[in-house]
Amino acid sequence: GQNIDQPTEMTATEGAIVQINCTYQTSGFNGLFWYQQHAGEAPTFLSYNVLDGLEEKGRFSSFLSRSKGYSYLLLKELQMKDSASYLCAVSSGGNKLTFGGGTRVLVKP
Amino acid sequence: DTAVSQTPKYLVTQMGNDKSIKCEQNLGHDTMYWYKQDSKKFLKIMFSYNNKELIINETVPNRFSPKSPDKAHLNLHINSLELGDSAVYFCASSSNRRQNYGYTFGSGTRLTVV
Repeated sequence: GQNIDQPTEMTATEGAIVQINCTYQTSGFNGLFWYQQHAGEAPTFLSYNVLDGLEEKGRFSSFLSRSKGYSYLLLKELQMKDSASYLCAVSSGGNKLTFGGGTRVLVKP
Repeated sequence: DTAVSQTPKYLVTQMGNDKSIKCEQNLGHDTMYWYKQDSKKFLKIMFSYNNKELIINETVPNRFSPKSPDKAHLNLHINSLELGDSAVYFCASSSNRRQNYGYTFGSGTRLTVV
């Protein structure tokens, strides 16, 4: 079966750093994705990791450890517009993405 | 604009009715999907088509029937709607050759069954 866990909610202050953890147990692994979803909108692609290590993209970075079944998304220099849900998703092959329940991040002034 | 577009954006209907949601992508992608996002925000896959062929069919009531007339279109027809069908339905597409770009999602259809 597929199991993807991430915290339900996190709160942080504008300008700070927040780390969203994701652990997964899946039958097969073909990459891990992070998506951002603002309320009432579609999820949008943030990052993709298939090899161990850190991928940096501006203020957002994503880390993967395949042996530990673990990833995190790091958001730096938080801005108010970063308030959204962040979805961890694992590809187990065959173009199928399985999503976690999402982490709602609230950025306060 | 290159995008995944789905219609309608909002759909309010009575129990027992039949309704359809349409999806079109002009990204040249090979694979299209239907996902359901419930009130707890879980995104769950329902169906996937690759070049008009059904490749993923999760445990979904057979009241739900997808149809792909060509690889740029994937529609979803729902018969005998029930209260529990209320959710946001997202269409998405992806490229077989560029899997590292993940999915591109449509803007969603918020279905409310009353």
